Amino acid sequence: TQLLEQSPQFLSIQEGENLTVYCNSSSVFSSLQWYRQEPGEGPVLLVTVVTGGEVKKLKRLTFQFGDARKDSSLHITAAQPGDTGLYLCAGPPSNDYKLSFGAGTTVTVRA
Amino acid sequence: DVKVTQSSRYLVKRTGEKVFLECVQDMDHENMFWYRQDPGLGLRLIYFSYDVKMKEKGDIPEGYSVSREKKERFSLILESASTNQTSMYLCASSLDKRGTGLTGELFFGEGSRLTVL
Repeated sequence: TQLLEQSPQFLSIQEGENLTVYCNSSSVFSSLQWYRQEPGEGPVLLVTVVTGGEVKKLKRLTFQFGDARKDSSLHITAAQPGDTGLYLCAGPPSNDYKLSFGAGTTVTVRA
Repeated sequence: DVKVTQSSRYLVKRTGEKVFLECVQDMDHENMFWYRQDPGLGLRLIYFSYDVKMKEKGDIPEGYSVSREKKERFSLILESASTNQTSMYLCASSLDKRGTGLTGELFFGEGSRLTVL
């Protein structure tokens, strides 16, 4: 059983549309990281959120950490084909010192 | 820029063969990790190391061993490969910044796709 549940598993949208990816848990996390992995590459860190309720923006990407630090979301505005990839959330549960990863959301943006 | 280099992008081995996957990082990071990535399961930690010659089991260490003789190099060994070890293997490193320990930003290699026949 995954400690971090990501939804949806797959998302295919047209260029210009918006999308949201969710990362949920029943456990409290000290922080949450979001990575993007492009085909044939390793994951690359996009952002780390640390404080409950925190919102971070990275150009067209908005990341939010839930108030209770049990969930996070990634919202992409006006998606572009370059946003295509596997999005992974990861974090250390409060009672652990290692990162746990979600299963990932595969996002495909069609031109 | 941090560079994590994995020695082989693609390998095909036979059941029972010994397999070595090599990983080198060039940024003097203390921590190094080996993950396997399977569709629908995300990344699962096999082993990690926080110092030279130090290693600890992750969540799925069975069938694997590791070696860290030098700070920059972390090797994953499959003593006797089996078909259920067919997977993508990702090496990562991280800096042991004060307060982050093993949970800081991970820098990944490009991955090694292993097929065991």
